[in-house]
Amino acid sequence: EVQLLESGGGSVQPGGSLRLSCAVSGFTFSSYDVNWVRQAPERGLEWVSAFRGGPDTTYYADSVKGRFTISRDDSKNTLYLQMNSLRVEDTAVYYCAKVLVIGFYYSGLDVWGHGTTVIVSS
Amino acid sequence: QSVLTQPPSVSGAPGQRVTISCTGTSSNIGAGYDVHWYQQLPGRPPKLLIYANRNRPSGVPDRFSGSKSGTSASLAISGLQADDEADYYCQSYDSSLSALFGGGTKLTVL
Repeated sequence: EVQLLESGGGSVQPGGSLRLSCAVSGFTFSSYDVNWVRQAPERGLEWVSAFRGGPDTTYYADSVKGRFTISRDDSKNTLYLQMNSLRVEDTAVYYCAKVLVIGFYYSGLDVWGHGTTVIVSS
Repeated sequence: QSVLTQPPSVSGAPGQRVTISCTGTSSNIGAGYDVHWYQQLPGRPPKLLIYANRNRPSGVPDRFSGSKSGTSASLAISGLQADDEADYYCQSYDSSLSALFGGGTKLTVL
């Protein structure tokens, strides 16, 4: 069964840092592009970042560019999101999700984790 | 404010048909990028409902259908059922290869 499991969320003060992890199983992790998507309380979905393979390329939403870094360790089947200089508006549930089709970045997100909650508050 | 515009809410009675629109621009949907649709039940992660404008993943009933024309896309749900009550999101891309989500539409089954 294809699974993605996020961890690393928690409460942090503004200006602080957190590293989220997304452990995957049930598919060849290195073959698929993967994304982070977040959802603030009572708000809609917001795309955060993507890691695209062949060659490795990363993309970021303007709202997190320069503060967040996406990376992956294929040997550990794990995706990461290093979040620095956190702001109150970064408070959200963070989901990782894989694309539907191998090697096709634009193919939609077919499997999502259950999310990890980040709260940024003083 | 989302780049892709959806109506905040739609409603329909059981058995009826509803449509949800997703309006973009020439920089995203109109540039030829595919549109995908997701269903999100309360407290749950999103579920891929329609991919590449009109295709249903395995297990999604054919009551759900998608279309795309120009700078817009639509999701249609026919034969409304109580458990269709959820939030629905469209998603596409822009020329910077950033993914974009619509603001979401809350479907109420009357």
